[in-house]
Amino acid sequence: NAGVMQNPRHLVRRRGQEARLRCSPMKGHSHVYWYRQLPEEGLKFMVYLQKENIIDESGMPKERFSAEFPKEGPSILRIQQVVRGDSAAYFCASSAFVSSGGNTGELFFGEGSRLTVL
Amino acid sequence: DAKTTQPNSMESNEEEPVHLPCNHSTISGTDYIHWYRQLPSQGPEYVIHGLTSNVNNRMASLAIAEDRKSSTLILHRATLRDAAVYYCILRSRGNEKLTFGTGTRLTIIP
Repeated sequence: NAGVMQNPRHLVRRRGQEARLRCSPMKGHSHVYWYRQLPEEGLKFMVYLQKENIIDESGMPKERFSAEFPKEGPSILRIQQVVRGDSAAYFCASSAFVSSGGNTGELFFGEGSRLTVL
Repeated sequence: DAKTTQPNSMESNEEEPVHLPCNHSTISGTDYIHWYRQLPSQGPEYVIHGLTSNVNNRMASLAIAEDRKSSTLILHRATLRDAAVYYCILRSRGNEKLTFGTGTRLTIIP
């Protein structure tokens, strides 16, 4: 059972270009989360999605950033018109459906996509 | 989410037990205590979680204070591979996301 797959692992973009980061959750997982980690800092929550729905985007910058998790295919984090401050590691995690009676859903993280903006 | 407080860093000798503390004085009755760790250049990985009772798994043990205002992650015999940043996180029932703090950077001395 493959883990959470993220690609590309490393991405270099010039200022003003677009970056697309992909995340394939673990088999059977319908919940996807995106986190950003700036150099030497902790992980910051960005967005939580279920299939075809954005559930919580409270950590997502209002401009230039968008995320989707279509019915078929991986989740995509899209950053338009990148700036140097977007350089970071972007981690995706997935979890299985958690019943309303408890909260034991472990999050499984990918290896991350490291974006460098020149 | 309620806040947790952890020491910024700790050191331990290889093959010795390690006790990583976490304070969460504002924990609510529905908050689960989760621990994750992040090895260098990797994504976080789940370690253990609990609600009220102490918990054991193949990776670690979690000791939860009777008043639940603090907890301790116990690595029974540290190896070099356990060098990582350890995050103590409170996750309330029905809240799917994890909110990471700054964690404790654990250094293992050979």
